[in-house]
Amino acid sequence: KQEVTQIPAALSVPEGENLVLNCSFTDSAIYNLQWFRQDPGKGLTSLLLIQSSQREQTSGRLNASLDKSSGRSTLYIAASQPGDSATYLCAVVAGGGATNKLIFGTGTLLAVQP
Amino acid sequence: GAGVSQSPSNKVTEKGKDVELRCDPISGHTALYWYRQSLGQGLEFLIYFQGNSAPDKSGLPSDRFSAERTGGSVSTLTIQRTQQEDSAVYLCASSPGSVSPLHFGNGTRLTVT
Repeated sequence: KQEVTQIPAALSVPEGENLVLNCSFTDSAIYNLQWFRQDPGKGLTSLLLIQSSQREQTSGRLNASLDKSSGRSTLYIAASQPGDSATYLCAVVAGGGATNKLIFGTGTLLAVQP
Repeated sequence: GAGVSQSPSNKVTEKGKDVELRCDPISGHTALYWYRQSLGQGLEFLIYFQGNSAPDKSGLPSDRFSAERTGGSVSTLTIQRTQQEDSAVYLCASSPGSVSPLHFGNGTRLTVT
């Protein structure tokens, strides 16, 4: 059974710092991995999607890497801003990707202090 | 453009009552998902619709839960004889295809008293 773990559960950093969020999964047979952010009382916003054949994806100040063989992904946020404060979730799609059934981690709650 | 819309945004119901939660996906999105997010737990997959295919119901926690999608668009999640452990935020998502980034609605917060 695929399990997704995120460390740390919570993180507080001063504005301007670069930071890394970690995601690990137990079954390396994934189709893709996605990173989302969730603001309080809101749904999820897709940030980055990495296909299993890819090593990384970048969008603005965000960079996500994927090491499928070791079952790890990282989300790097450069020059953090208070507006980055949110819960960050990673999720994997298992196997051949016949469905987009995402298995989620429990998230990292990020607070960026001004 | 319009995103995924869910209604109601909040629902308080008494234990034992039935509830219906509605999801309007983004127009043209063929895939629709329901997830549940309970306090202190991650998102739990409930059900997945893709086009005219039979839905993947493997995540429904009991036979009190059912969902339908009419005309390939609007979906309704029904919970019969609600229990307190059903209290959670129910999130709907849609995507253009079976393997594309998901677009989530803001969810329905269900409280069973």
